[in-house]
Amino acid sequence: QSVLTQPPSVSGAPGQRVTISCTGSSSNIGAAYDVHWYQQLPGTAPKFLIYGNNNRPSGVPDRFSGSKSGTSASLAITGLQAEDEADYYCQSYDRSLGGFVIFGGGTKLTVL
Amino acid sequence: QVQLQESGPGLVKPSETLSLTCAVSGGSIRGYYWSWIRQPPGKGLEWLGYIYYSGSTNYSPSLKGRVTISIDTSKNQFSLKMTSVTAPDTAVYYCARVLTTFGGDFYGLDVWGQGTTVTVSS
Repeated sequence: QSVLTQPPSVSGAPGQRVTISCTGSSSNIGAAYDVHWYQQLPGTAPKFLIYGNNNRPSGVPDRFSGSKSGTSASLAITGLQAEDEADYYCQSYDRSLGGFVIFGGGTKLTVL
Repeated sequence: QVQLQESGPGLVKPSETLSLTCAVSGGSIRGYYWSWIRQPPGKGLEWLGYIYYSGSTNYSPSLKGRVTISIDTSKNQFSLKMTSVTAPDTAVYYCARVLTTFGGDFYGLDVWGQGTTVTVSS
């Protein structure tokens, strides 16, 4: 059971916009800790996608954006492309038990 | 450009100790935090812990006591040891660099190794 809750799957047609939610609690996202996102293509290592809630590392297309509000965060992908089909993970920090890094359970994005 | 490469045995017997090393190339290990993450087959990512180049560590509460992360700045590498392994420890193990804010807050994992598969079986 992940500390951060994500939908197991989302889908969208090419060109559409999809969002992936990440729900936490008052000890992590709600405690003002930042949320980061990773994209994992099949058979590969995760790739750094969004950091600090809404910042893109160099090379990440601006079709990807992040937001955070209260105890939740979201990843939005616009202009969906076939190569966006992947697993997406959110990550934050939890202040309980001395503080530790937490991941969401992951969301499988299918491009129809 | 910094690159990470995990290495270690691909097969470990139950109750034994899993040992992996992550070699850092293209940059210095100094000044950063470094982390281990694993992914069981068909499942999500699990954070194991991280270490600062000075040696200070932080571990996942669920694995504390079984996991030790160490660092060798002279060799530009860091390592993971996990004791008393069982079948659920079978996973792809990744090492990664930790990005931090100027204040030292965790800011994501920006560089990842390709991962190494470890199977626990007799």
